[in-house]
Amino acid sequence: GIQVEQSPPDLILQEGANSTLRCNFSDSVNNLQWFHQNPWGQLINLFYIPSGTKQNGRLSATTVATERYSLLYISSSQTTDSGVYFCAVFPQGSGYALNFGKGTSLLVTP
Amino acid sequence: DSGVTQTPKHLITATGQRVTLRCSPRSGDLSVYWYQQSLDQGLQFLIQYYNGEERAKGNILERFSAQQFPDLHSELNLSSLELGDSALYFCASSVAGHSPLHFGNGTRLTVT
Repeated sequence: GIQVEQSPPDLILQEGANSTLRCNFSDSVNNLQWFHQNPWGQLINLFYIPSGTKQNGRLSATTVATERYSLLYISSSQTTDSGVYFCAVFPQGSGYALNFGKGTSLLVTP
Repeated sequence: DSGVTQTPKHLITATGQRVTLRCSPRSGDLSVYWYQQSLDQGLQFLIQYYNGEERAKGNILERFSAQQFPDLHSELNLSSLELGDSALYFCASSVAGHSPLHFGNGTRLTVT
């Protein structure tokens, strides 16, 4: 099946810093989503971004489908950004299951 | 709020028992997905239903079963529970096909 690799696995930032999270996938996809799992376990939809660039406040994402990667940018990080960020993809032509990467665990310190 | 409702939020039960987790999808969504999140396995897809019919199956054990009812809510039944079944179980819904998934807050199952 499709491989979804996220890097880095862990990240510690000071409040106010910027960061870039990466997601590589091994095959063509129909859909790509970024999620934030907060410390309470909730999975929050950040972006639905099969291709192109989107922005939502301090967060933005870019997917280059032809090169099979996506980037999540977090600017001016806040302690509330802490948690785990997951990339998930729907592989082309193989059913309808969203396949998750292992996530990037982010800790933002004051 | 994603609009996907899962009950109960927490469940503690003993090995060998059977439990039922419930999910109500967002209004208008026809697809329901079940995922299991455990510490060592990450987020694993279990099963998907679309408008009452099973559409795709993932790593779902034979001891687990699910269904989607005519009102589109879904239930995940877990039987002969083992310690290793302790996990966070998520339900997600989408309109159809490859459209975005929206996740509920999960049911945290602890098997003692």
